[in-house]
Amino acid sequence: QVQLVQSGAEVKKPGASVKVSCKASGYTFTNYAMAWLRQAPGQGPEWLGWLSTHNNNTFYARKVQDRVSMTSDTSTNTAFLDLRGLKSDDTATYYCARIWGGYQFDLWGQGTLVTVSS
Amino acid sequence: QSVLTQPPSASGSPGQSVTISCTGSSSDVGAYEHVSWYRQHPDKAPTLLMYDVTTRPSGVPDRFSGSKSGNTASLTVSGLQAEDEGVYFCSSYAGSYTWLFGGGTKLTVL
Repeated sequence: QVQLVQSGAEVKKPGASVKVSCKASGYTFTNYAMAWLRQAPGQGPEWLGWLSTHNNNTFYARKVQDRVSMTSDTSTNTAFLDLRGLKSDDTATYYCARIWGGYQFDLWGQGTLVTVSS
Repeated sequence: QSVLTQPPSASGSPGQSVTISCTGSSSDVGAYEHVSWYRQHPDKAPTLLMYDVTTRPSGVPDRFSGSKSGNTASLTVSGLQAEDEGVYFCSSYAGSYTWLFGGGTKLTVL
């Protein structure tokens, strides 16, 4: 079955870091780039960046580029999102999504709720 | 926060048609033929409905159609059915490997 399965919900304090995983199955992991997005309650998704699973090249949104890292492990077909220096407005559901055809996201993970609260 | 502007809500009766707009700028929607649409149900991930403005992925009914004029893209749902309810988001490639999304439109079938 073609799917992306993400790690579970996290609660973090301001200033802490969080690492979210996204395990792919049912397709050749390195054939598709992976994007990371987040969605705050009641809002549209926000694109955070993308990762080439083939060579680990990355491109990050300016808003988070100083605090984010995206990596992958081809031995386990897993992509990772690291976000440092968490703030309350980082509270959101974080999604990994496969980039298909270069410009659209055709397969999404189930989402990981990250709550930042003191 | 959302850069692409969508109406917050839309509605129609079963069998009717409804159109949802998505307005960006000449740097994103107006510049590229890479507008896509997604539908999201409560507490679920978005699913792809339309890409490259007018192309439906396999499995999406032909009741869904897309178009673009200038800086505004549109998604039309014809022959509304109860299962079409959900929140619809547009997305546009914005150059330099970046993407923008709209704030979402909640579609209600009356």
